[in-house]
Amino acid sequence: AQSVAQPEDQVNVAEGNPLTVKCTYSVSGNPYLFWYVQYPNRGLQFLLKYITGDNLVKGSYGFEAEFNKSQTSFHLKKPSALVSDSALYFCAVRGNQAGTALIFGKGTTLSVSS
Amino acid sequence: EADIYQTPRYLVIGTGKKITLECSQTMGHDKMYWYQQDPGMELHLIHYSYGVNSTEKGDLSSESTVSRIRTEHFPLTLESARPSHTSQYLCASTKAAGHDSYEQYFGPGTRLTVT
Repeated sequence: AQSVAQPEDQVNVAEGNPLTVKCTYSVSGNPYLFWYVQYPNRGLQFLLKYITGDNLVKGSYGFEAEFNKSQTSFHLKKPSALVSDSALYFCAVRGNQAGTALIFGKGTTLSVSS
Repeated sequence: EADIYQTPRYLVIGTGKKITLECSQTMGHDKMYWYQQDPGMELHLIHYSYGVNSTEKGDLSSESTVSRIRTEHFPLTLESARPSHTSQYLCASTKAAGHDSYEQYFGPGTRLTVT
């Protein structure tokens, strides 16, 4: 069965420090991986995706993610956190069934303090 | 921002009422989805559609129904709302072919409260 795990409910980081939000996945076949961000009372906004190619994927708002096939991980990173990055972050994998709908992790709340 | 719209954004309604949550997209996407999300929690797929006249149930059992008469429109209906239906409902769409088909675009969501 395909699944996504985000082991941390919350990540706290000081503004200006690097941040990492962790994600591991379990899929059969090649993984198609995504990161989304959700601000309060909003829908999900796409940050970046890995389909194939370079293991380091760059996305919106200075975020990047590193795909590691041997560790089945797709951690989200940013070199210097901003207070405005505080939000709920979801990792997702494209499913092979159900219309190729995304399978989401339970989300990680990122809190950046000033 | 993606061109996918949901109305209403917020709805408070009494038990037993029939409600329809609207979702429209102007991107010409064939595939559309409905997810249910409790506040701050993960998303669960409740319905999806490959295109006009195609609807399927998702992984999470739901008493809601959907229709897809037009490509751009994918409404969700609850015939008789109950407090257990209180949640946020997110609509999404994606292209049907190519690598970009794997990226889903989400609407702003409808937060439903059934009293």
